Amino acid sequence: QKEVEQDPGPLSVPEGAIVSLNCTYSNSAFQYFMWYRQYSRKGPELLMYTYSSGNKEDGRFTAQVDKSSKYISLFIRDSQPSDSATYLCAMTSDQTGANNLFFGTGTRLTVIP
Amino acid sequence: KAGVTQTPRYLIKTRGQQVTLSCSPISGHRSVSWYQQTPGQGLQFLFEYFSETQRNKGNFPGRFSGRQFSNSRSEMNVSTLELGDSALYLCASSPPGLASPLHFGNGTRLTVT
Repeated sequence: QKEVEQDPGPLSVPEGAIVSLNCTYSNSAFQYFMWYRQYSRKGPELLMYTYSSGNKEDGRFTAQVDKSSKYISLFIRDSQPSDSATYLCAMTSDQTGANNLFFGTGTRLTVIP
Repeated sequence: KAGVTQTPRYLIKTRGQQVTLSCSPISGHRSVSWYQQTPGQGLQFLFEYFSETQRNKGNFPGRFSGRQFSNSRSEMNVSTLELGDSALYLCASSPPGLASPLHFGNGTRLTVT
């Protein structure tokens, strides 16, 4: 079993829809949680970074962490065609080394105009 | 501020050869991490360097090695290349501070034939 599980999709939504992306994990020591966006032929771009449980909002993006359920989510409001990309969740802990990120396999999102 | 720069963007090598990849971190970032990205395994942590010292290492064979220079630039070397080493190799840097988020470059696409 992988430490981080993510539905690979693909996910296709109309422009303006609310998108929900999710990851589950098994290691209860994880305490830092990230969402990255990766366009084709590009490196991952950091979208959201949260510590421990709770919500964080940045523009159209909201990240949620539920440590009790070992479940994290990313919501995208008013989705745009430019949001079409692969979304990767990542997480780590002080125990494993904060730069040793454990990634999900990524969810490919297409927003249709 | 310039982002993480990786050179070259593309490489084609033959089995048994060795290869060196280069990474220049964001100015002021002293930590450099390397990741391998493949369709089957996703993103996997190779190693991290800080102040010219390897601070953490993933679960890869000794054929994968790296180093960091006094200006924080880093190189990664893979010896005795195998077909399975074909991947996108990503470098990431992070600013000083506990558990600072990683910022990735666009990677070097290595193809082993």
